[in-house]
Amino acid sequence: NAGVTQTPKFRVLKTGQSMTLLCAQDMNHEYMYWYRQDPGMGLRLIHYSVGEGTTAKGEVPDGYNVSRLKKQNFLLGLESAAPSQTSVYFCASLDTGEFPDTQYFGPGTRLTVL
Amino acid sequence: GQQLNQSPQSMFIQEGEDVSMNCTSSSIFNTWLWYKQEPGEGPVLLIALYKAGELTSNGRLTAQFGITRKDSFLNISASIPSDVGIYFCAGQQDYNNDMRFGAGTRLTVKP
Repeated sequence: NAGVTQTPKFRVLKTGQSMTLLCAQDMNHEYMYWYRQDPGMGLRLIHYSVGEGTTAKGEVPDGYNVSRLKKQNFLLGLESAAPSQTSVYFCASLDTGEFPDTQYFGPGTRLTVL
Repeated sequence: GQQLNQSPQSMFIQEGEDVSMNCTSSSIFNTWLWYKQEPGEGPVLLIALYKAGELTSNGRLTAQFGITRKDSFLNISASIPSDVGIYFCAGQQDYNNDMRFGAGTRLTVKP
């Protein structure tokens, strides 16, 4: 049981390039989330999904797209990267089968946009 | 959007001391959560609170959900070096939906 994994761990992009961050969980969780973490600002929710085939916008969705084609995977896409998207990105999945509901976080992806 | 104000921003304490941090908001939240993050890792849930006025403990950690539903605090008793990390509060208005995080409290414990 690997929990929540994220690929890649690090990435450097040039402005205007595109990329996809992959989040995978092997815990059969319905809910998955993408956050970004910036210094002094805590975590901010980008998009989330409450099940396969569904996605919803979070607090800071602009510049990002997501897809949840398979229950175990939640992809975060940047179509045209900007320096303001330099951040650490965390994926999480939610276990509603235990009390309290627990979000499990991945190790993060550190993205730098030049 | 809803803002969570977390204080203090950082704390430097001696091993064995008690620690207290809090989170306030101008908005009402129906769930309050406290996470700990260590370097290079994602946050890990410490305590979750679901009812106004609720006081919950997890080992040396105690957290309370404020009566007004606009604040929460976390206490750590008898701190130890492994308590070092960044502690985040988070609030949720609707079940399983949008969660807002505070900016974090960075805790340093001197042996």
